[in-house]
Amino acid sequence: SYELTQPPSVSVSPGQTARITCSGDALPKQYAYWYQQKPGQAPVLVIYKDSERPSGIPERFSGSSSGTTVTLTISGVQAEDEADYYCQSADSSGTQFGGGTKLTVL
Amino acid sequence: QVQLQESGPGLVKPSETLSLTCTVSGGSISSYYWSWIRQPPGKGLEWIGYIYYSGSTNYNPSLKSRVTISVDTSKNQFSLKLSSVTAADTAVYYCARGVSYYDSSGYYLGDFDYWGQGTLVTVSS
Repeated sequence: SYELTQPPSVSVSPGQTARITCSGDALPKQYAYWYQQKPGQAPVLVIYKDSERPSGIPERFSGSSSGTTVTLTISGVQAEDEADYYCQSADSSGTQFGGGTKLTVL
Repeated sequence: QVQLQESGPGLVKPSETLSLTCTVSGGSISSYYWSWIRQPPGKGLEWIGYIYYSGSTNYNPSLKSRVTISVDTSKNQFSLKLSSVTAADTAVYYCARGVSYYDSSGYYLGDFDYWGQGTLVTVSS
């Protein structure tokens, strides 16, 4: 099994662009998925298959992949985007989550 | 609209078995990976395991010896049993629907598109 590594925290001012990375050796071969979790709530899928956006998710959320790193980008960050973000990807045993990144909107 | 709802005891004694049920409404239990995921207080998400609608299962290796997931398609429910619990098993437990994707290697678990609200299970005497 391998790990998915995320930065513990990212801070941005409203209107700026936030980039949250997730690194893992198998990511060139496996899709990544991203979730947003606000306090006391269940996670919500915001990106699937590296860069696809589910219906109902704002266009400011986008995903990309390059080598062993996938990136969740939030353009024009709003106060309501303050949350924890988790990446997820398949591994040899099933699936796993990254450790999570707390996005703070200053 | 698919909805998932966890149910079960909120308090379990150490060494006993944690049992939870997830009821799925608004959709069929077919063709998906029905999963359990947990989150200890203040910590990240941990995948516990899944059951495919056909009955095949896959568990997180770190929990495999203690986990059993089963499905009752007639009731649109699936269940989790975690044996020999300790305080380290205290967490919010979520049930979730895993999307099935297909590639050259066959079917595999993708993302979790629907989640239950979660239920806090505390292990304490």
